[in-house]
Amino acid sequence: AQRVTQPEKLLSVFKGAPVELKCNYSYSGSPELFWYVQYSRQRLQLLLRHISRESIKGFTADLNKGETSFHLKKPFAQEEDSAMYYCALSPGSARQLTFGSGTQLTVLP
Amino acid sequence: SQTIHQWPATLVQPVGSPLSLECTVEGTSNPNLYWYRQAAGRGLQLLFYSVGIGQISSEVPQNLSASRPQDRQFILSSKKLLLSDSGFYLCAWSVLGGGGQPQHFGDGTRLSIL
Repeated sequence: AQRVTQPEKLLSVFKGAPVELKCNYSYSGSPELFWYVQYSRQRLQLLLRHISRESIKGFTADLNKGETSFHLKKPFAQEEDSAMYYCALSPGSARQLTFGSGTQLTVLP
Repeated sequence: SQTIHQWPATLVQPVGSPLSLECTVEGTSNPNLYWYRQAAGRGLQLLFYSVGIGQISSEVPQNLSASRPQDRQFILSSKKLLLSDSGFYLCAWSVLGGGGQPQHFGDGTRLSIL
């Protein structure tokens, strides 16, 4: 069975500092990986997915199959980035998502 | 555009009472539908998913059941609630297809069992 681990429940950085939210997964096949974000009083929403190789709101995430990681990074954090971030995995042809436990990011002024 | 509605937003129920949470999707056909639960301090746990009317897959054994009486309607039910059923319940949809499709979430229902 697949598993997603986000080792940090809470992460605080200062505005303008780099930020990295860690995500490790265990799955024997080729997974699809996602980052979801939930801002205060808003719905959980998709931030980015690895197959798109895109940068959203300055965030990027690279799939490292050797380290089975999909860390989310941003070079200069902004206060509006404060939110709960979830890493999620979809095992290939299946439809289900397995979520990590989430990291609450706080960007301090 | 597609929208998802989930209600009620909050619910307080006594132990042993029945439950019915409803989720509807508009603006799309044949969506995959999902029910998740989020317990305090934990991630989202998939409870049920459905790929079509009357087709329900259960991910974890529990006191809950799901039904899909119409294409864009997904209902989460229980005949007798337990204290452990307290939590935050989220409905989601995705386009019909395999993995890699993003899921779109509703606002959630906060369920408190007394």
